[in-house]
Amino acid sequence: GENVEQHPSTLSVQEGDSAVIKCTYSDSASNYFPWYKQELGKRPQLIIDIRSNVGEKKDQRIAVTLNKTAKHFSLHITETQPEDSAVYFCAALSGTYKYIFGTGTRLKVLA
Amino acid sequence: DAGITQSPRYKITETGRQVTLMCHQTWSHSYMFWYRQDLGHGLRLIYYSAAADITDKGEVPDGYVVSRSKTENFPLTLESATRSQTSVYFCASSDGTGELFFGEGSRLTVL
Repeated sequence: GENVEQHPSTLSVQEGDSAVIKCTYSDSASNYFPWYKQELGKRPQLIIDIRSNVGEKKDQRIAVTLNKTAKHFSLHITETQPEDSAVYFCAALSGTYKYIFGTGTRLKVLA
Repeated sequence: DAGITQSPRYKITETGRQVTLMCHQTWSHSYMFWYRQDLGHGLRLIYYSAAADITDKGEVPDGYVVSRSKTENFPLTLESATRSQTSVYFCASSDGTGELFFGEGSRLTVL
């Protein structure tokens, strides 16, 4: 069946450094790729998303890139801060309801 | 603007008991979802609904029942709770164009 692979499962970076999380999807019909941030004990919240007709999208320190040919998309966080520490989930959507989530990346930003 | 709310937020029950988790959204979103979140598995879809009176199974539906008599409500029932159903349950909704909005989560412990 369809799946989304996410790497790495844990990532530690020094404050101020960049962090990159990568996802690979299998369903070629996927057309929407959101990234969710989940702080400890909280709900997942959307931080950035990209649609299949766009290759890159930026929002301040966060960017997402999409390579449809390779079925890869990545989250880039620059100038990391302690408040960026959380679990990040990627997802791929096919149609209107078929969301497939990655297994998450625990990011630790070390002060 | 209440958004999407879940109740109860925390529940402890015993094996064999029936438990119902409630989910209510105020946006009139067509799509509603129930996910469970367990360490190492990310978010797994239990059931989803495309509209009132339309529901369908997700990845892990066994042991769960849902109903959707009104657009705004999507309760999840564990008919006879088992210890393997100890988890954090998230309800979510979407208008079908992309972003999933999650509730705060319900932490269920089955003893």
